[in-house]
Amino acid sequence: KAGVTQTPRYLIKTRGQQVTLSCSPISGHRSVSWYQQTPGQGLQFLFEYFSETQRNKGNFPGRFSGRQFSNSRSEMNVSTLELGDSALYLCASSDGMRVRNTEAFFGQGTRLTVV
Amino acid sequence: KQEVTQIPAALSVPEGENLVLNCSFTDSAIYNLQWFRQDPGKGLTSLLLIQSSQREQTSGRLNASLDKSSGRSTLYIAASQPGDSATYLCAVFYNQGGKLIFGQGTELSVKP
Repeated sequence: KAGVTQTPRYLIKTRGQQVTLSCSPISGHRSVSWYQQTPGQGLQFLFEYFSETQRNKGNFPGRFSGRQFSNSRSEMNVSTLELGDSALYLCASSDGMRVRNTEAFFGQGTRLTVV
Repeated sequence: KQEVTQIPAALSVPEGENLVLNCSFTDSAIYNLQWFRQDPGKGLTSLLLIQSSQREQTSGRLNASLDKSSGRSTLYIAASQPGDSATYLCAVFYNQGGKLIFGQGTELSVKP
């Protein structure tokens, strides 16, 4: 069974540009969550998508957005990049239906560097 | 405020030692608690999931316990090996919020 796949693994962007990250969840999983990891703030929740709908959202500015497709693959987009957006972006896949039993599985992440 | 705290932030032990990592959380109304391992620059590997109704879970040399009333979880690693060196993260799925709240992690170094 394939794991969670995130592409690309590494990105270097310039301030002011926009970027799109992709996440393919484990087959059969309908929930995809995105997290930002930085040395100073640790892991912080961005948003969760379930069956193509945003179900939960963290405290990030509107420059951070996402979507989910009918095959459960998800993309997140960051517009007008700032230096502080440099981070490891992690995607988590889960069943999403039974919260108490739901184990989250993470991808390898996308390392975004903004210069 | 829903928070998760891990102590210590870093730990160095000789190979073969048994060790305990600690995690505390502020609200007992949780769905589950999950322990992860993260190697430098990599993603998170799920180690153990403890549902709110459970007291402990075991996988190989790992044993995790959960005490909701005191807001604590421990991860016990038996007979540590250099390959266990990594950062260990505790994450709580609170009843309210719909997301995992992570601790800052414990960086473990096991010396040969």
